[in-house]
Amino acid sequence: EIVLTQSPGTLSLSPGERATLSCRASQSVSSSYLAWYQQKPAQAPRLLIYATSSRATGIPDRFSGSGSGTDFILTISRLEPEDFAVYYCQQYGSSLTFGGGTKVEIK
Amino acid sequence: EVQLEESGGGLVKPGGSLRLSCAASGFLFSNAWMSWVRQAPGKGLEWVGHIKRKTDGGTTDYAAPVKGRFTISRDDSKDTLYLQMNSLKSEDTAVYYCTTVPGDWGQGTLVTVSS
Repeated sequence: EIVLTQSPGTLSLSPGERATLSCRASQSVSSSYLAWYQQKPAQAPRLLIYATSSRATGIPDRFSGSGSGTDFILTISRLEPEDFAVYYCQQYGSSLTFGGGTKVEIK
Repeated sequence: EVQLEESGGGLVKPGGSLRLSCAASGFLFSNAWMSWVRQAPGKGLEWVGHIKRKTDGGTTDYAAPVKGRFTISRDDSKDTLYLQMNSLKSEDTAVYYCTTVPGDWGQGTLVTVSS
């Protein structure tokens, strides 16, 4: 089983700042099979990024994904008020697993 | 527009059974890998299991905590995904989501296992 470890657990930032979220895998993940989701309170998760760097339909270009092998990054270039939420990475190349999540909160 | 609508959640006693359904629309269901994901109150996302499309063998895979108790199936003629849950435990209490892999999510259905 591939274990995904997200860091930091919580990121305290102000609107307009840049957010960098990390997802590290216990073994190599094909770049074709790494996704990122955003979840707000009392809502279902929403797909942001799939295949490491492809934005899902309707996702603003301030969201970007990168990485390969065991290290992946989600970057939010300039935080908007609606971006404060919890973010999860997921690999779907070897069965499926999720990371533990990173909460992006207002500083 | 992709829509996934779960149903069948509710309160069940430990040791009991429940079957969840997920009605899909807005995409070619038979071509999709589908999964169930759960989220216990205040916790993160936990993959429960998934089922491949028939052209990829239609096979299933499950997370260790549910293997042998939960069964995922699909009816492509009805565009519906199922999750049969047996021998339920208190730790199975969660919101259960139906999802495409990767991609869209339903709104979730709450399963509460309590005496």
